[in-house]
Amino acid sequence: ETGVTQTPRHLVMGMTNKKSLKCEQHLGHNAMYWYKQSAKKPLELMFVYSLEERVENNSVPSRFSPECPNSSHLFLHLHTLQPEDSALYLCASSQDSRLAGGDEQFFGPGTRLTVL
Amino acid sequence: DQQVKQNSPSLSVQEGRISILNCDYTNSMFDYFLWYKKYPAEGPTFLISISSIKDKNEDGRFTVFLNKSAKHLSLHIVPSQPGDSAVYFCAAILNQAGTALIFGKGTTLSVSS
Repeated sequence: ETGVTQTPRHLVMGMTNKKSLKCEQHLGHNAMYWYKQSAKKPLELMFVYSLEERVENNSVPSRFSPECPNSSHLFLHLHTLQPEDSALYLCASSQDSRLAGGDEQFFGPGTRLTVL
Repeated sequence: DQQVKQNSPSLSVQEGRISILNCDYTNSMFDYFLWYKKYPAEGPTFLISISSIKDKNEDGRFTVFLNKSAKHLSLHIVPSQPGDSAVYFCAAILNQAGTALIFGKGTTLSVSS
């Protein structure tokens, strides 16, 4: 149990669908992250939230829309995705968004997304 | 351009032998380096880290070596066990940027008994 949970674990959606990914952390952390892992590519940071405010958006297309209603929950709303958006989407949390001292991030198990 | 590179996508080792996983980086300003381990259907979990001011950090069977002049780090696992079979990610942090980790593509380690 990493303390970070993600639902659903698997999702298949069409290009016209709207769906949401959910992440919850039970660690009392102040920062939460969305990462994307495509096949044969490094984990790519998408968004960073600190104390419910977005502090980083790594040039992510607007068809991905994050939401952080409180410090324990993070959502990724998906709308009109493309097949190339199929990937593993990982949520992570850390005590603070500034990773000084080699602070570790704790990851959830990920959502495997397939866009048809 | 990738700032953290793991050039070997896979490594196979026999149980009891040493596993050496390598990582190269391009940014000399990185402050910390971390290794994460990932099993299938699970998220990455933190394994060990090293500050850029050190050249070695050891934790049980795991040792990370840092060669700043070569911009290279390695993770040694001795002795290797079948349960070590996983994907290993190298990651780096820039403290002044410091909002997230920069990952390599990962190396899949297979330890056979």
